[in-house]
Amino acid sequence: ETGVTQSPTHLIKTRGQQVTLRCSSQSGHNTVSWYQQALGQGPQFIFQYYREEENGRGNFPPRFSGLQFPNYSSELNVNALELDDSALYLCASSLDLYSEQFFGPGTRLTVL
Amino acid sequence: AQSVTQLGSHVSVSEGALVLLRCNYSSSVPPYLFWYVQYPNQGLQLLLKYTTGATLVKGINGFEAEFKKSETSFHLTKPSAHMSDAAEYFCAVSDRQGGSEKLVFGKGTKLTVNP
Repeated sequence: ETGVTQSPTHLIKTRGQQVTLRCSSQSGHNTVSWYQQALGQGPQFIFQYYREEENGRGNFPPRFSGLQFPNYSSELNVNALELDDSALYLCASSLDLYSEQFFGPGTRLTVL
Repeated sequence: AQSVTQLGSHVSVSEGALVLLRCNYSSSVPPYLFWYVQYPNQGLQLLLKYTTGATLVKGINGFEAEFKKSETSFHLTKPSAHMSDAAEYFCAVSDRQGGSEKLVFGKGTKLTVNP
């Protein structure tokens, strides 16, 4: 069983640009959650997708959006990037809504 | 709303010494509690979790934690630190309001193990 993978590993963008981060869940996992981890902080919940529908959202603006696909992959899209969006973005997949979340290694986004 | 407080952003111990990382939580419902470890440039790995039942929970790599409802605490311990334990540790509580499960994390404690 392969683990959760994320791409790219690192990314540098400038303010105002748009970015797409990708996550490949473990096979059979129908739930994916995305977290933002700013430097020196714990991860913060962005949103969760369950069976390709958004199923809960944290305190993040609408310019943070996502997609989940039938092939267990998902995307996090961020529009109009701001300097404060610089962070490690983690995705976590789980077999079902309330099952253990398995985390990927993260994508480190730097916004200049 | 659920929240977690980790006391001490940095903890330093000698190899072979006791590791104690503190976590207090706030929850309006019986909590599900977790400890995760994060090594540099890696994601989070689950060490252990408390859901219901036995209040002393054993995890991987010799770690354990005790759920104390009266103290709203879930401190992480390991009897003897190893150099490989050096990492950042996060306590988290599960928030299941609204039909989704989100993990609410503390700010983390960086553990340094000195030879």
